[in-house]
Amino acid sequence: GQNIDQPTEMTATEGAIVQINCTYQTSGFNGLFWYQQHAGEAPTFLSYNVLDGLEEKGRFSSFLSRSKGYSYLLLKELQMKDSASYLCAVRDQAGTNKLIFGTGTLLAVQP
Amino acid sequence: DTGVSQDPRHKITKRGQNVTFRCDPISEHNRLYWYRQTLGQGPEFLTYFQNEAQLEKSRLLSDRFSAERPKGSFSTLEIQRTEQGDSAMYLCASSSGGGINQPQHFGDGTRLSIL
Repeated sequence: GQNIDQPTEMTATEGAIVQINCTYQTSGFNGLFWYQQHAGEAPTFLSYNVLDGLEEKGRFSSFLSRSKGYSYLLLKELQMKDSASYLCAVRDQAGTNKLIFGTGTLLAVQP
Repeated sequence: DTGVSQDPRHKITKRGQNVTFRCDPISEHNRLYWYRQTLGQGPEFLTYFQNEAQLEKSRLLSDRFSAERPKGSFSTLEIQRTEQGDSAMYLCASSSGGGINQPQHFGDGTRLSIL
């Protein structure tokens, strides 16, 4: 079966660093995406990993270990506007384009 | 780039009625996807088009659901004989065909409420 696990909720303080973990068990693997979704809005693309290692984009970084079926999203210098749901999604097969999403991690940034 | 546009934003209807949603993808994107999202869950894949061809359908897409993309541009998703369980946010996404790392860009969705 296909399974993607993320913590349901996290709380962090403005200005701090937070790491959101994602583990996956899928029949295949062809890339992992992170999306941010504010309540009532569209998911917006944050990052993409297909090879092992760290990808950095400004305040956001994402890491992938394919052997462990594990990824994390690292958010630095947290701002209040970072309060949102963070979705981990796996593209499970080469040639198909559908994404399998986790349930999302609701991050609350407190002053 | 005006983004993915979905219409309507909200739809309230009685059980048993038919509803149709429209999605206009980013203009140069040839790939279009429909997902369904319920509260507290991530989006679930429904179907995928490359140009006008519907290449993949989820088992979630029962025979009451039909999607079209007649000219390879906009797409419609129709639900016939709606049921309470159809209440959800219906999201459309599009992507370009160049490279496996091309992300899917989502619209704001159509929120369907079945009375």
